[in-house]
Amino acid sequence: QKEVEQNSGPLSVPEGAIASLNCTYSDRGSQSFFWYRQYSGKSPELIMSIYSNGDKEDGRFTAQLNKASQYVSLLIRDSQPSDSATYLCAPNSGYSTLTFGKGTMLLVSP
Amino acid sequence: EAEVAQSPRYKITEKSQAVAFWCDPISGHATLYWYRQILGQGPELLVQFQDESVVDDSQLPKDRFSAERLKGVDSTLKIQPAELGDSAMYLCASSLGGGATQYFGPGTRLLVL
Repeated sequence: QKEVEQNSGPLSVPEGAIASLNCTYSDRGSQSFFWYRQYSGKSPELIMSIYSNGDKEDGRFTAQLNKASQYVSLLIRDSQPSDSATYLCAPNSGYSTLTFGKGTMLLVSP
Repeated sequence: EAEVAQSPRYKITEKSQAVAFWCDPISGHATLYWYRQILGQGPELLVQFQDESVVDDSQLPKDRFSAERLKGVDSTLKIQPAELGDSAMYLCASSLGGGATQYFGPGTRLLVL
């Protein structure tokens, strides 16, 4: 049974702060990792993907991966109220499907 | 920008009735996925197609759910009969291939009364 653990939150941060979202996974065979953002009532939209250990930066977003610790995180710098959403972590074990966590709700207050 | 299309966007039905959802993936995407998302949970895979073939339907409740992708393009997911516990968001996603980035459609919100 592949498991993906995320703190359900809500994680509350003030506007302009750094939001840190964490995810642990059980399947050591996971090769790629995806972060999706989901606004209430909407479908998930891709934020970032990461395949190698270390950091990957894209604008205000940084994904961090540590396969030895089976840990992946997403940092959002200069958080904006529009970043308020649920963030879903999804490891992928090669050809198989994504396994989603329950998501972390982020609330950014003005 | 290419998008995954789904219809209907909302569906209200009574239990024991049949419902059907349609999905048109991004052009050229060989892999199509149907997910179910219950409020407060992450999406859960129901079925994965590679072209017209089912790759994974291990979590599909086959006594009441069926899915097809006859020509390897668009797909239909059917529930018959619907039960109260089927109330959820049904999401379709597509990718170039298995393991590639998945892009989601807007979803169909189903309410079973």
